[in-house]
Amino acid sequence: GIQVEQSPPDLILQEGANSTLRCNFSDSVNNLQWFHQNPWGQLINLFYIPSGTKQNGRLSATTVATERYSLLYISSSQTTDSGVYFCAVTTSYDKVIFGPGTSLSVIP
Amino acid sequence: GAGVSQSPRYKVAKRGQDVALRCDPISGHVSLFWYQQALGQGPEFLTYFQNEAQLDKSGLPSDRFFAERPEGSVSTLKIQRTQQEDSAVYLCASTQTDSQRAFFGQGTRLTVV
Repeated sequence: GIQVEQSPPDLILQEGANSTLRCNFSDSVNNLQWFHQNPWGQLINLFYIPSGTKQNGRLSATTVATERYSLLYISSSQTTDSGVYFCAVTTSYDKVIFGPGTSLSVIP
Repeated sequence: GAGVSQSPRYKVAKRGQDVALRCDPISGHVSLFWYQQALGQGPEFLTYFQNEAQLDKSGLPSDRFFAERPEGSVSTLKIQRTQQEDSAVYLCASTQTDSQRAFFGQGTRLTVV
């Protein structure tokens, strides 16, 4: 089946710093989503981005489907950005497969 | 409803007990997914429904796991004869017909003792 990799696995940032999270996938996909799982376990959909670039406030994402990767940019990080960021891809019959996640800690 | 609702939020079961976990998807969402998330891991796919049809159950770890969605809305994940390795958070997600954007419930944390 399709493999989804994320890097880095763990990241510690000083508040105000910028970061880039990467997601690689092994096969063509119908769609790609980025999720943030907060410390209470809730998964929040950040971006639905099969291709191209989208921006939402301090966050932006870019997916290059032909090269099978996606990037999530976090600018001017805040402590509330802490949590785990998951990349999830959708296969041809709607099955959503998650990557292992990047655990982000933003320290004041 | 406004979001995906799961109940109970927490469940403690004695080993060997049967449990039933409920998911109320967003109204009108055709697709519904169940995931299992172990501590420190990403969500692992269990099963997928389109309306009442269970199209993929390849992720169910054993025949002790059973899911249903009889009327194409609410879904129940049942685990029979629970084992300690079943301890995890069980997440439910639903998606719209014309979009694959997934919305997740808060999950049910199952602890088998």
